[in-house]
Amino acid sequence: EVQLVESGGGLVQPGGSLRLSCAASGFTLSSHDMNWVRQAPGKGLEWVSHISRSGNSKYYADSVKGRFTTSRDNAKNSLYLQMNSLRTEDTAIYYCARNKVATPDAFDIWGQGTIVTVSS
Amino acid sequence: DIQMTQSPSSVSASVGDRVTITCRASQGISSWLAWYQQKPGQVPKLLIYAASSLQSGVPSRFSGSGSGTEFTLTLSSLQPEDFASYYCQQTKSFPYTFGQGTKLEIK
Repeated sequence: EVQLVESGGGLVQPGGSLRLSCAASGFTLSSHDMNWVRQAPGKGLEWVSHISRSGNSKYYADSVKGRFTTSRDNAKNSLYLQMNSLRTEDTAIYYCARNKVATPDAFDIWGQGTIVTVSS
Repeated sequence: DIQMTQSPSSVSASVGDRVTITCRASQGISSWLAWYQQKPGQVPKLLIYAASSLQSGVPSRFSGSGSGTEFTLTLSSLQPEDFASYYCQQTKSFPYTFGQGTKLEIK
């Protein structure tokens, strides 16, 4: 079964750090660009970051640029999001999402999400 | 950055109705547009990619059209399981952006 499973969420104080992980199974991670998307409580979807198949190209939303870093380890079938200098407005469910192959980008597989709460 | 604006923000409809949701891009994005469905407490689900291509497994009552700056998602005959929120997303250029969402409610 094709699956993405996030982990690493939790409660952190403002200014703190967290590292999210996304474990892929049922497909070859190295064949797909990957993304992180978040959703604040009661709000819409916000794209956070994108990483190319090789990991050589990375893009970020302005709201997280300079604070968040995405990376991947294809040998371990894993994607990561290092989040530093966290703010209360970063509180959200964080999803990893897979890019379809050979079409205009679209996110065809999503994980169940991991909850990040930034609060003192 | 490309801004995506959906309308309406919410709509009430009945089972069997035809519903259309519009998404406008602040600049041309060709066909680099996707539509997602999200039910409460669930993960977003891809419905349409490349503006009009139906994702595998999605019922044919869902259809997408448009190119450039104006796009539509049409549900031809609403079923009870279609009541959810819908989001468009442009993937023409980074930062990728979503519309604010349209909540489809039962009348």
